[in-house]
Amino acid sequence: QSALTQPASVSGSPGQSITISCTGTSSDIGAYNFVSWYQQYPGKAPKLIIYEVSNRPSGIPNRFSGSKSGNTASLTISGLQAEDDADYYCDSYARSTSYLFGTGTKVTVL
Amino acid sequence: EVQLVQSGAEVKKPGESLKISCETFGYTFTNAWIGWVRQMPGKGLEWMGIIYGADSTTRYSPSFQGQVTLSIDKSITTAYLHWSSLTASDTATYYCARRLTFASGWDYWGRGTLITVSS
Repeated sequence: QSALTQPASVSGSPGQSITISCTGTSSDIGAYNFVSWYQQYPGKAPKLIIYEVSNRPSGIPNRFSGSKSGNTASLTISGLQAEDDADYYCDSYARSTSYLFGTGTKVTVL
Repeated sequence: EVQLVQSGAEVKKPGESLKISCETFGYTFTNAWIGWVRQMPGKGLEWMGIIYGADSTTRYSPSFQGQVTLSIDKSITTAYLHWSSLTASDTATYYCARRLTFASGWDYWGRGTLITVSS
């Protein structure tokens, strides 16, 4: 597998909640709780926002939450804000390739 | 403060070699892994490989195995990404990032190095 599968785009209005899925296999997401999520603005480096499925690094707002069920991980952004307009990527440890990124999701705040 | 400082943008011709660097600060270099990530123009993130700061243990993505070489110099806490022969398809931004453990995620990133390969 070359990449985890994410929806190309997700949109929502300010204040709403959105969820981004990240689908893998029993050899990556399904096998390990080593899923992380990143936010990336155009022209900038990615930023870690969730690690180990559901943990937030210091300084990340609790509007961001992560979960996992089977071979699919999810990132939920609650109380959507204009500054959340960005690209989001998941990442997982994988038995065969060591690590895999997701295909990326463009979040648009309407 | 943890920082990963990458070398500057490069413009190269097909067939040329190149080594870019990622100098690290603010943590114990030998306690962490450094990974490299490619982002082609307008595209997503691709994990290329990872190298351990203590002993140079290296893992490559199958997509990049044989195409690039990772190395480190512990004495100057710097990681390197090397190409022996560039092609136009290597045109991209390359990020280095730190990873402490399988679980920790890529917690610190460099700003990226833009490589342009054109005849």
